[in-house]
Amino acid sequence: DAGITQSPRHKVTETGTPVTLRCHQTENHRYMYWYRQDPGHGLRLIHYSYGVKDTDKGEVSDGYSVSRSKTEDFLLTLESATSSQTSVYFCAISSGNTQYFGPGTRLTVL
Amino acid sequence: AQSVTQPDIHITVSEGASLELRCNYSYGATPYLFWYVQSPGQGLQLLLKYFSGDTLVQGIKGFEAEFKRSQSSFNLRKPSVHWSDAAEYFCAVGEKAAGNKLTFGGGTRVLVKP
Repeated sequence: DAGITQSPRHKVTETGTPVTLRCHQTENHRYMYWYRQDPGHGLRLIHYSYGVKDTDKGEVSDGYSVSRSKTEDFLLTLESATSSQTSVYFCAISSGNTQYFGPGTRLTVL
Repeated sequence: AQSVTQPDIHITVSEGASLELRCNYSYGATPYLFWYVQSPGQGLQLLLKYFSGDTLVQGIKGFEAEFKRSQSSFNLRKPSVHWSDAAEYFCAVGEKAAGNKLTFGGGTRVLVKP
């Protein structure tokens, strides 16, 4: 257990609304990541962070932004949700060059 | 850019039989390689990893994987499958620079028959 929690665990929202997902870790890891999981695609990296206020884009970053104002929290924001962003979102931390994942957030955009 | 291919989308295996899941990767140097397992509705659990050294690595739950540089493969094996091994399995390659970002394969779903 890498001490990672995600909130909310489930969310249903409407197209065009903003949505923020939170990832919280308790072990002071420097690197944190956001992935989305879709059938047939495995997990794809959205954004990652290598420290407070230090973030970079991943493979599928369009339509998403992130923020990290504290070591323990990494926020993912969908500024204006679209149906194509319906997915399961996983947060991860890196420890010893190995990533450990949170329980996931299932997001449905209607 | 790195990539990972898991050629088998679904595999059905009888309980007690052996299991092998294929993984091929594309990466410019010696990669970090991982296998994760995901049970229905759950997060991802690390099964095993390869960084360097012995090319046969042991993991949890009786799984092992072999790194073959010449074939760019990292196949996962288990000698005798249990019903609880029914899950989806993901192979991933880690990019050593830039925060060890992971690139995942599409996954292989394993069904275990009694």
